[in-house]
Order: sequence, then structure tokens, then C-alpha cells
Amino acid sequence: EADIYQTPRYLVIGTGKKITLECSQTMGHDKMYWYQQDPGMELHLIHYSYGVNSTEKGDLSSESTVSRIRTEHFPLTLESARPSHTSQYLCASSGDGTGVMGYTQYFGPGTRLTVL
Amino acid sequence: KNQVEQSPQSLIILEGKNCTLQCNYTVSPFSNLRWYKQDTGRGPVSLTIMTFSENTKSNGRYTATLDADTKQSSLHITASQLSDSASYICVVSDRGSTLGRLYFGRGTQLTVWP
Repeated sequence: EADIYQTPRYLVIGTGKKITLECSQTMGHDKMYWYQQDPGMELHLIHYSYGVNSTEKGDLSSESTVSRIRTEHFPLTLESARPSHTSQYLCASSGDGTGVMGYTQYFGPGTRLTVL
Repeated sequence: KNQVEQSPQSLIILEGKNCTLQCNYTVSPFSNLRWYKQDTGRGPVSLTIMTFSENTKSNGRYTATLDADTKQSSLHITASQLSDSASYICVVSDRGSTLGRLYFGRGTQLTVWP
């Protein structure tokens, strides 16, 4: 089982609140990712990072922001949550091993966010 | 447009039975294809990974096949167990590196009944 953690697992908040979803991994992976997943739908990449102080936007436009100050930590922040942000957010990381196996992404358990 | 299509969308089988899930893709170039298992409320976990030159890969009761010519893959589950109830996601990468983009299918929701 991968050593990647997300907190909180479930979050219900009101519109307009600022929230931060935490993601940490203890595998020493340089690459980390945030995905958004709605029920019955595919995962969409919203942010990724290739290392400390590196962050990029993914394929799906998102109003969230991320930071990467430490290798093991990749938090996602919503400055003002709205009902449209209700979704499951999955964090993942991958290492630098050679071959395709080295790039397998390991996923955290996810945060289920509900904005009322 | 690069896509990954999975079928069926959902499937119900009885414990002990076998089943096969399908994945068709149009991703090009093609580097590798992964099958992930996602339990309800959990993150996906990698089951198998196959490159262009591999036709089949097994992981216990899970056997994946790949036909790179027709761009089709299947995941066969033998002697299903209740714990197999999950969503199975097909993921295709266009490069064998971190720079590779991943294309996700919507998954097949498998339910195993006792």
C-alpha cells in the first residue's frame, strides 16, 4: 500500500469559506498531482508539480491553487468555495524509477468535498 | 481527440463467476496501458501495466490483455470474490516518462453478489 495521505477525508462547508486540502507522501517522490473526480466520471488532472517550488495547471481549469514548499507536502487551496466545487479530490505521486513502472502514480484515499 | 472508452458501464455478477471488462482507446502515440482498481471512497490502486510489446499480464486472479493493433484491452477476473466489488479504470499513457499524459476511462463499476 502506498504511503500517501489526504486530510480531511470528508468536508462539508458553506459557500464562501476558504479551505485547504492536505496531501502528504513519505515515499520521497518528486512528482505530485491533484485530480478531481465526479461520480461515474473519469479523473481530471487539475494541478501537478515536478518538485519543490514547481507547480503547473492541469487539463481541467480549476479555481483552486497549490503550493510545493516541501517535497512531501502538496496542499490544495480554495479561497472561496462554491457549490460547483463539490467533488472528490484525489492526490497522487510518482517516483523517478526507470521504465514505465517507475512512473506509476500512487493515489491517496481522496477528500470528498461538499459545498452547501 | 484522444479517448479511452470502457464497457460495460456497470456489471453485476455472482460470487465465484468470471467476468471480462473492456477498454478501447484512441490515444496516439501509445506508451503503456494500466488497469486500476478503485474501491468506493478510496483512491485507485494499480493492478497491471502493459507496454506496446506485451500481450498479456497477470496479477493473481486478474489477467489483462492488450491488442495494440486494434487498440483494445481487456481485464479478466477469475473466480470473483465479494472484495472485487469496485470500479475498474483503464488508463493510457502517451509516453513512458513523467512527461507522459494520462488518459483515464470512466471505469466499469463491478458488483459481486453472494
